Amino acid sequence: DAGVTQSPTHLIKTRGQQVTLRCSPKSGHDTVSWYQQALGQGPQFIFQYYEEEERQRGNFPDRFSGHQFPNYSSELNVNALLLGDSALYLCASRVFGGNQPQHFGDGTRLSIL
Amino acid sequence: AQSVTQLDSHVSVSEGTPVLLRCNYSSSYSPSLFWYVQHPNKGLQLLLKYTSAATLVKGINGFEAEFKKSETSFHLTKPSAHMSDAAEYFCVVIDSNYQLIWGAGTKLIIKP
Repeated sequence: DAGVTQSPTHLIKTRGQQVTLRCSPKSGHDTVSWYQQALGQGPQFIFQYYEEEERQRGNFPDRFSGHQFPNYSSELNVNALLLGDSALYLCASRVFGGNQPQHFGDGTRLSIL
Repeated sequence: AQSVTQLDSHVSVSEGTPVLLRCNYSSSYSPSLFWYVQHPNKGLQLLLKYTSAATLVKGINGFEAEFKKSETSFHLTKPSAHMSDAAEYFCVVIDSNYQLIWGAGTKLIIKP
C-alpha cells in the first residue's frame, strides 16, 4: 500500500520562472493539502483540494494555484517565482471530514536561484 | 481559536535516558491532537494521535503521550532515547475546519 508520493524530489529554478509539483495521495484518501516549509520552520498551509475543488486556502498569494484530478492526485503550481519561495513543499492526504490525521509525502525541495 | 505551544525549541538528552517533549494546547472544545516527527530532509511521519479515547496514547518507536485536560497538555515521552530519535518533533491540533495548527517544533538532540 503506497503512501503519499511526490515528484520531483528536488528542483532548481530561477526567479520569474514557473514550477509544477505533483502529488499522489495514499490509497483510499480523497483530500489533498499542500504545505510550504521554509528551512528551520514548521509547515505553513497553502490550500486543500477535495472533489477537484479548492476548499480552503491559507495566507498565500494567487501566484500559488493548484489542481486536483479525478483520480485524487494533485498539482501545485507557482508562477513568477521569488527567492523566498525556496522551501520544502509537502503534500498531505486524508479522507475528507472527521479528525483523522493527514499522511505526508517526503516533499519536493525547491531552490530558487 | 485553537493554538499549540511547544515549550522547548531544542531538547538534548543522552542516549539511553528518558525523553520529554512538552506541548500545551488551547482549544474551545475537546481537541484532536497529534505528534509528528520529521527527520532531516524528509517528510512528516505521524507518531501518535489523541482523538478523545484513552488519555494515554501509545505511538510508534516506543513513544507515548498523555492528554491532560486539566493542564491543557499533551507531552511526548520515551523511556530510553536512541540515536535514531534525533529529529524535529511537531505537536499539532486540529481546528474546526479540520485543518492542522502546528507548533513551532522541538529539535531533539541525542548525545552518545
